[in-house]
Amino acid sequence: AQRVTQPEKLLSVFKGAPVELKCNYSYSGSPELFWYVQYSRQRLQLLLRHISRESIKGFTADLNKGETSFHLKKPFAQEEDSAMYYCALSGTSGGSYIPTFGRGTSLIVHP
Amino acid sequence: GAGVSQSPRYKVAKRGQDVALRCDPISGHVSLFWYQQALGQGPEFLTYFQNEAQLDKSGLPSDRFFAERPEGSVSTLKIQRTQQEDSAVYLCASSLETGIGTDTQYFGPGTRLTVL
Repeated sequence: AQRVTQPEKLLSVFKGAPVELKCNYSYSGSPELFWYVQYSRQRLQLLLRHISRESIKGFTADLNKGETSFHLKKPFAQEEDSAMYYCALSGTSGGSYIPTFGRGTSLIVHP
Repeated sequence: GAGVSQSPRYKVAKRGQDVALRCDPISGHVSLFWYQQALGQGPEFLTYFQNEAQLDKSGLPSDRFFAERPEGSVSTLKIQRTQQEDSAVYLCASSLETGIGTDTQYFGPGTRLTVL
């Protein structure tokens, strides 16, 4: 069975500090991993995915298959980064991909 | 352009009532997903459509839950004989292609269902 674990429910930092939101996964095959973000009063939206290997809004995430992790990082947090962040995995089940989400981490960036 | 829309945005039902939740995906999007999000949790997969075909319904929690997308666009999630444990936000998402493992999903605002 596939599983996504986000160990921190809440992460609180000051503006300009580095941020790392942790995500660990359990999946027997080759996963597709994503980070989604939900800003206050907005809908859930894709932030980035590992296959694109891109940096969005200063965030990056590297897939570490050895540690089965996909941590989200940003060197200097901004107040506008305050949001709920969800790590997600797409695997395979019966020939179709079943998306699995973590429970989310609330990031609060203080001025 | 218009994104994914859902209606109603809020629904209060008495235990035992039937409810119907509607999702209007982005025009032309082939894939449509329903998720259930309980308070303090991430979205949990319920079911997936490719056009009008329901390809996976393994996440539906019981036979009280039923989803359809008869013409391959608008979808309805129906919950019969609602129970208090059905209280959650129901999210709909659509994506352009069929390779759902890698395709970007666009989410609606959700319907918050409260069962009294």
